[in-house]
Amino acid sequence: GENVEQHPSTLSVQEGDSAVIKCTYSDSASNYFPWYKQELGKRPQLIIDIRSNVGEKKDQRIAVTLNKTAKHFSLHITETQPEDSAVYFCAASSGGFKTIFGAGTRLFVKA
Amino acid sequence: EAGVAQSPRYKIIEKRQSVAFWCNPISGHATLYWYQQILGQGPKLLIQFQNNGVVDDSQLPKDRFSAERLKGVDSTLKIQPAKLEDSAVYLCASSPPEGMYQETQYFGPGTRLLVL
Repeated sequence: GENVEQHPSTLSVQEGDSAVIKCTYSDSASNYFPWYKQELGKRPQLIIDIRSNVGEKKDQRIAVTLNKTAKHFSLHITETQPEDSAVYFCAASSGGFKTIFGAGTRLFVKA
Repeated sequence: EAGVAQSPRYKIIEKRQSVAFWCNPISGHATLYWYQQILGQGPKLLIQFQNNGVVDDSQLPKDRFSAERLKGVDSTLKIQPAKLEDSAVYLCASSPPEGMYQETQYFGPGTRLLVL
């Protein structure tokens, strides 16, 4: 079946460094790629998303890139802060249908 | 605006018992989703409603799980009978009507289920 692979499963960085999380998807029909942040015991919160007609999108310290040919997309967090520590999930969907989530990346930002 | 509401927040039952979860989406949101999130994993879509019709229930274990969306607003998810492997957080999400942001999903706080 269709799937989304996410790497790494755990990422530890020093405060101020950058963090990169990568995802690959298998469904060619996927055209919407959101990223969610989930703190312990809380609900997933959308932090940024990208649609297939765009190659890159940036929002302050967060950016997402999409390579449709290779079927992969990445989340980039610059100048990391301790409050960025959480689990991050990528997802892929086709017009809001058939949403598939990655397994998650646990990010630790060390002060 | 008020967010997605879910109840109960926590539930402990014994295997073979029944349980039901309730979700009230954001007002005006046409699409409602139920996800199962097992500890350490990403959310897995169980069922997706568009208004009061089911558009995807391909991953819903229909021998024990059922869901309905009353009048295209609130929704309930039921498990009968529960198994140990059903222990998870059940997340409800909703997204706006057709338009620019129709794919954006807003999640509720979830119901944490423990089956003993």
